[in-house]
Amino acid sequence: EPEVTQTPSHQVTQMGQEVILRCVPISNHLYFYWYRQILGQKVEFLVSFYNNEISEKSEIFDDQFSVERPDGSNFTLKIRSTKLEDSAMYFCASRGGQAVVYGYTFGSGTRLTVV
Amino acid sequence: AQKVTQAQTEISVVEKEDVTLDCVYETRDTTYYLFWYKQPPSGELVFLIRRNSFDEQNEISGRYSWNFQKSTSSFNFTITASQVVDSAVYFCALSPRTNAGGTSYGKLTFGQGTILTVHP
Repeated sequence: EPEVTQTPSHQVTQMGQEVILRCVPISNHLYFYWYRQILGQKVEFLVSFYNNEISEKSEIFDDQFSVERPDGSNFTLKIRSTKLEDSAMYFCASRGGQAVVYGYTFGSGTRLTVV
Repeated sequence: AQKVTQAQTEISVVEKEDVTLDCVYETRDTTYYLFWYKQPPSGELVFLIRRNSFDEQNEISGRYSWNFQKSTSSFNFTITASQVVDSAVYFCALSPRTNAGGTSYGKLTFGQGTILTVHP
C-alpha cells in the first residue's frame, strides 16, 4: 500500500536554528497538508497545499513557517528561527482528490525537539 | 468555523468489555466528512473509519462500529470486546467537502482525543 514518508523521524535543534522537515507524499496525490501535535494535545492543522501554492493556512502558520514542493515529489516544511514552543510532532498528509473515496494518508511524523 | 468535542478525556476498561467513544461536532457545512483515528504509543495516526454527512447508515466493521446521528451532531465509535492492543489515544475529526478553487481544501479539525486504556 502506498505510504507517505517523513524524514527524519526525530530531530533535535537548538533554539534559533532553522529546520526543514521533509515529506514524500503519495505520487499521484493532489492535496498536501502539514499538521502539528504538541505533546499530549490534539492534532492541529497548519497548512494545505494544492496546485503548487498554499491553499489554506491556520493562524499558527505565521511568517516563521514556509512550505515548498521543490521537485514535484518532496513536500517540505521549513521553520525559521525555532522556538522552544515549536517542539512537537509534525505530521505530513496527502490526499488524492476531492471525492470522498480519496481519504487522507498520514506519514508517521517527525518529532521535533527544540532545546 | 468547525469544532469537534470529545468530552471523555480518559476511559479505562477491562479486556473484553465494550467501550464507546463519544464525539460531538459543529459545522455550518451541509456536506462534510467525519473520521476516527487511532494514535498508539508509537505516535503515528492510524485511520479507522470515515463517514459522509449524507450517509447516516451505521455500520459494523469487525470489532468496530459507529453511530452517526446528524440530528444531534454526534459520531460515536464503539469497540466491541476490547483488547489490550486497543489501548491508544482516539481522535475524532471533521473535514468539509473539498472544493478546489473555492473556499475549502479539506483540512481536518481534530477533537482533543480520548485516552483509552484496556487492562488485561
